[in-house]
Amino acid sequence: ETGVTQSPTHLIKTRGQQVTLRCSSQSGHNTVSWYQQALGQGPQFIFQYYREEENGRGNFPPRFSGLQFPNYSSELNVNALELDDSALYLCASSDEQGGRGGYTFGSGTRLTVV
Amino acid sequence: QQQVKQSPQSLIVQKGGISIINCAYENTAFDYFPWYQQFPGKGPALLIAIRPDVSEKKEGRFTISFNKSAKQFSLHIMDSQPGDSATYFCAALQGNQFYFGTGTSLTVIP
Repeated sequence: ETGVTQSPTHLIKTRGQQVTLRCSSQSGHNTVSWYQQALGQGPQFIFQYYREEENGRGNFPPRFSGLQFPNYSSELNVNALELDDSALYLCASSDEQGGRGGYTFGSGTRLTVV
Repeated sequence: QQQVKQSPQSLIVQKGGISIINCAYENTAFDYFPWYQQFPGKGPALLIAIRPDVSEKKEGRFTISFNKSAKQFSLHIMDSQPGDSATYFCAALQGNQFYFGTGTSLTVIP
């Protein structure tokens, strides 16, 4: 059984650019959530995807968008990057919509915006 | 506004000692309370979790104590080991969204 895989592991972008982060969910999991973890902080919920539809969104602007594919993998897209977008972006998958069984987190993508 | 407040920010414990991390919340709609362990360069890993109808849950050296009336819950790590040195996050679930505390950096000194 594979865990959650995220790519790339590290990324440096310039302010104003766009970025796409990718996540492969754990085998058997059909729900994917994305979190932003700023340095020294706890993860903050961006949004969740279930059966290819957005299923809840945190307090993030529309320039944060996502997709889920039929194989349950997912992408996080961020447009018009700002310096404050620099963070660790975590993908988490779960085997039920509500996630009470616990999420399995990937190791994250470290995004640096300069 | 921080929905889940966690303390202390950092903790140093001698090997074999007890590590205690506390969290408090206000939102009574939370219905699941996990603790996550995170090592540098890794994502958080589920350690132990509790539902609000249970006052205590123990798994090996890890125990969650839950006080529903006080809206507080805590993680106790018994016989702390150097390998337990990591950052610990409490969290609370409402709907499909987890709210995380700000984390506690635990260092266990050999």
